[in-house]
Amino acid sequence: KQEVTQIPAALSVPEGENLVLNCSFTDSAIYNLQWFRQDPGKGLTSLLLIQSSQREQTSGRLNASLDKSSGRSTLYIAASQPGDSATYLCAVETGANNLFFGTGTRLTVIP
Amino acid sequence: NAGVMQNPRHLVRRRGQEARLRCSPVKGHSHVYWYRQLPEEGLKFMVYLQKENIIDESGMPKERFSAEFPKEGPSILRIQQVVRGDSAAYFCASSQGTANTEAFFGQGTRLTVV
Repeated sequence: KQEVTQIPAALSVPEGENLVLNCSFTDSAIYNLQWFRQDPGKGLTSLLLIQSSQREQTSGRLNASLDKSSGRSTLYIAASQPGDSATYLCAVETGANNLFFGTGTRLTVIP
Repeated sequence: NAGVMQNPRHLVRRRGQEARLRCSPVKGHSHVYWYRQLPEEGLKFMVYLQKENIIDESGMPKERFSAEFPKEGPSILRIQQVVRGDSAAYFCASSQGTANTEAFFGQGTRLTVV
């Protein structure tokens, strides 16, 4: 059964710092991996989607990498801003047409 | 061009009542997924529906929970005889196709059972 783990569970950084969020999954038979952002009391916003054949995706200050063989992904956020404060979730899609989510990393960027 | 619309955003029910959660997918999307996020836990898959059909309900509790996605109208997640443990955020997602297509999420319905 697929299990997704995110480390750390919470992270506080000063504004401007670069940071890395980690995601690991137990079954490498995935279609893709997505990173989402969840703001308090709100829904999910998809940030980046990496297909299983890809190694990374970039969008603005965000860069996500995928190492399928080792079951790991990282989300790199450059020059963090207070507006980046949110919970970041990673999810992998398996052939069962559903997403398996990690429990998230709660990021706080301190002005 | 609305995204996934869920309503209500917040729902309060007394124990034993029924809760009906609605999800209107992105226009043109025929695949709907329901997820539940319990307090301090991650999102867990509940059910995957394609117009008028349940494709995968492996994450649905065996009793009291049901889902439908009729030919016309929104998808409905129905919880009968709610209990306190049903209090959670319920998210709906929709996609155009099957596996490996991007899913778009709604803002969720927060159910509180008192």
